[in-house]
Amino acid sequence: EPEVTQTPSHQVTQMGQEVILRCVPISNHLYFYWYRQILGQKVEFLVSFYNNEISEKSEIFDDQFSVERPDGSNFTLKIRSTKLEDSAMYFCASRETDRVGSSGNTIYFGEGSWLTVV
Amino acid sequence: QKEVEQNSGPLSVPEGAIASLNCTYSDRGSQSFFWYRQYSGKSPELIMSIYSNGDKEDGRFTAQLNKASQYVSLLIRDSQPSDSATYLCAVMRGSNYKLTFGKGTLLTVNP
Repeated sequence: EPEVTQTPSHQVTQMGQEVILRCVPISNHLYFYWYRQILGQKVEFLVSFYNNEISEKSEIFDDQFSVERPDGSNFTLKIRSTKLEDSAMYFCASRETDRVGSSGNTIYFGEGSWLTVV
Repeated sequence: QKEVEQNSGPLSVPEGAIASLNCTYSDRGSQSFFWYRQYSGKSPELIMSIYSNGDKEDGRFTAQLNKASQYVSLLIRDSQPSDSATYLCAVMRGSNYKLTFGKGTLLTVNP
């Protein structure tokens, strides 16, 4: 079964360092997302990406964050200068279609990247 | 602010019983509704989606939607210890297609 893959599974970084989290969405999917989940809290939307541009971003997604689809398969999240409060599980997700009621409307999540900022 | 509310639990049921999980949402424009299961330290895994009022059954799982009451529920029949996890309710508004999650309900099924 096709799946969203993410690397690394776990990264420890020093405060102020840049981090890039990588994702390979499901191959025929067109809509891509990053979510995060701080330990013990709910899953929060960060950004959505379609047709090579950001379609929506949350208040969390400030100037320290950026996303890129550098080629036909990868989707990356960059945090320029990490803060302690960026420590969380980051989930990449993808969706095939925007047709409400279609099974292709389902958002599928990768296994996540644990980011620990020390 | 668009909210999705769930009872955080924990909800504890004996093996073989029916587990009932509830969710309310504030955005009347929501069109798609999802239940995800999340094991500790893992990613959300889709259990069911529902788009129309009424019931939708898939194996041991039944999702129920009442848009007038802004209420979604998930019933798990013949609960198994392997069903022990956090169940996340998520809604999607048709116009922007992002998921808004509730905090989740922790379900424990006791052997």
